[in-house]
Amino acid sequence: GESVGLHLPTLSVQEGDNSIINCAYSNSASDYFIWYKQESGKGPQFIIDIRSNMDKRQGQRVTVLLNKTVKHLSLQIAATQPGDSAVYFCAETWASGSRLTFGEGTQLTVNP
Amino acid sequence: DTGVSQDPRHKITKRGQNVTFRCDPISEHNRLYWYRQTLGQGPEFLTYFQNEAQLEKSRLLSDRFSAERPKGSFSTLEIQRTEQGDSAMYLCASSGRTASTDTQYFGPGTRLTVL
Repeated sequence: GESVGLHLPTLSVQEGDNSIINCAYSNSASDYFIWYKQESGKGPQFIIDIRSNMDKRQGQRVTVLLNKTVKHLSLQIAATQPGDSAVYFCAETWASGSRLTFGEGTQLTVNP
Repeated sequence: DTGVSQDPRHKITKRGQNVTFRCDPISEHNRLYWYRQTLGQGPEFLTYFQNEAQLEKSRLLSDRFSAERPKGSFSTLEIQRTEQGDSAMYLCASSGRTASTDTQYFGPGTRLTVL
C-alpha cells in the first residue's frame, strides 16, 4: 500500500554540525508534507511543512526540500544543538484535512 | 496554554476493563483527529471529526473502540474490553479547515498500559 518511509533509522552528529534527515514517499497524489519532532514521552511537535507546489521552504535553522520527481523529502537542521536530539517523522497527506501517514522515524542524537 | 490537551496522561488498566480518554483541541480548530502510536513506530490514524461529525474511521478502529465529539469541541475515545494489544500512546491532533490552517497540531498523548 501507500507508505512513507525513512532511509536511516538513526543519525548521530556533533553539536554545531548540520543534520540531514531523509524521507521517501510513494503516494504520488500527496500534496502536503510535514516534519514533526518527537521527544520521549511527548506528542509530535510541528517543525515545518511544504506543499507540492514548492520545492524548498526555510524556517529558523531548518529547511525542507521536496523532490517530486523521485518522491523524496529531506529536513536540514543547521548548527545542530543538543536540544535537537529527538525522533523526527515525516508525514504526508493528499488533501486538506485528510489523515496523515507517517514514516517510521529517525532518531537524531547530538553529541556535545 | 492554548495547545491541544489530553487527559489522563497515563492510564494503567487490567485486561477486560473499559477506558475513556479525553481530548480538548485548540479552541478555534474544528477538525479533530485521533492516532495511535506504538513504541518505535510513527502514529497511525484512527478517526477524524469535523465539528461533531465523524467523517472517517480507520480499519484499525475495531468495534471495541468508539469516539465521540458531541458538541464539536472536546472529544472522547473509549476502548471497551481492553486487550494487551491496546497498549500504546493515544494521540489527539486538531486543525482548522482552510489551506492556511490545516496543519495538524498534536497533544501530549495518553499512554495506555493494559496488564
